[in-house]
Amino acid sequence: AIQMTQSPSSLSASVGDRVTITCRASQGVRIDLAWYQQTPGKAPKLLIYGASSLQSGVPSRFSGSGSGTDFTLTISSLQPEDFATYYCLQDFIYPFTFGQGTKLEIK
Amino acid sequence: QVHLVESGGGVVQPGRSLRLSCAASGFTFSSYAMHWVRQAPGKGLEWVAFISYDGSNKYYADSVKGQFIISRDNSKNTLYVQMNSLRAEDTAVYYCARDEAGDYNGSGKWVYWGQGTLVTVSS
Repeated sequence: AIQMTQSPSSLSASVGDRVTITCRASQGVRIDLAWYQQTPGKAPKLLIYGASSLQSGVPSRFSGSGSGTDFTLTISSLQPEDFATYYCLQDFIYPFTFGQGTKLEIK
Repeated sequence: QVHLVESGGGVVQPGRSLRLSCAASGFTFSSYAMHWVRQAPGKGLEWVAFISYDGSNKYYADSVKGQFIISRDNSKNTLYVQMNSLRAEDTAVYYCARDEAGDYNGSGKWVYWGQGTLVTVSS
C-alpha cells in the first residue's frame, strides 16, 4: 500500500497567518490526491481534490498544489474556523490511504 | 437534500460479528459508488472499503480484507458492511461517504458523509 506522510504532525499558528502543510507519498500518485478538514466530533469535509481543485463552497484561502509524490495544502490567511485537523488522501490506487493528519492549533 | 445515516454500532465482544447500515436519502442511491471510512478513538482516518454503484466492484483495506464484506441494496437505498471476527483494533467510529466521481473504480472525492456510528469491541 502507498504510505502517505504528512508534516508537520501539529502546528501552532495565529489568525491571519499563512500556513502550509506537506504530504509526501511513498510512490507517485499523479495528481490523485485530496485534502480533508476535520473538527472534533464531526465528519471530515472535502477541501481539495485532484491535488489542486477547490471543492465548491470552500473558501479561496485554501489551495493545493503538487503532483507525483509531493503535495502541499496552503491556507493563505488563517481564520478562527480553520483550526482543525487536516488529512491528505491518495486515491490513485486501492487501498486508498490517508496521511496521519496535521493538527492546526491556535498559538 | 442528501442524507446518510449510519446505524448498527454498539459494544460487541471480540470474535463476534456486527453489521452496519448506512441509509441514504435525497439522491439516486443506485447512481453513486460508496465508501466506508473509520476512525479509532483519538486517531486518524482510515479508508475501509469501496463498492461501485451497482455493487459489482469492491475494494478493501488490507487490514479488513477477508474479515469485512461491503454490500448494498439499491432497492432499499442502503449500504452495509458486515464485520466478522471483530478485534479490539476494529474499535472506531465508522462513516459512510458518497463518492462524487461517477467512476466505476471510485475516487477520493467524498462530499457527503454520515454522522458516524461507534463500534466498540470489548469483552
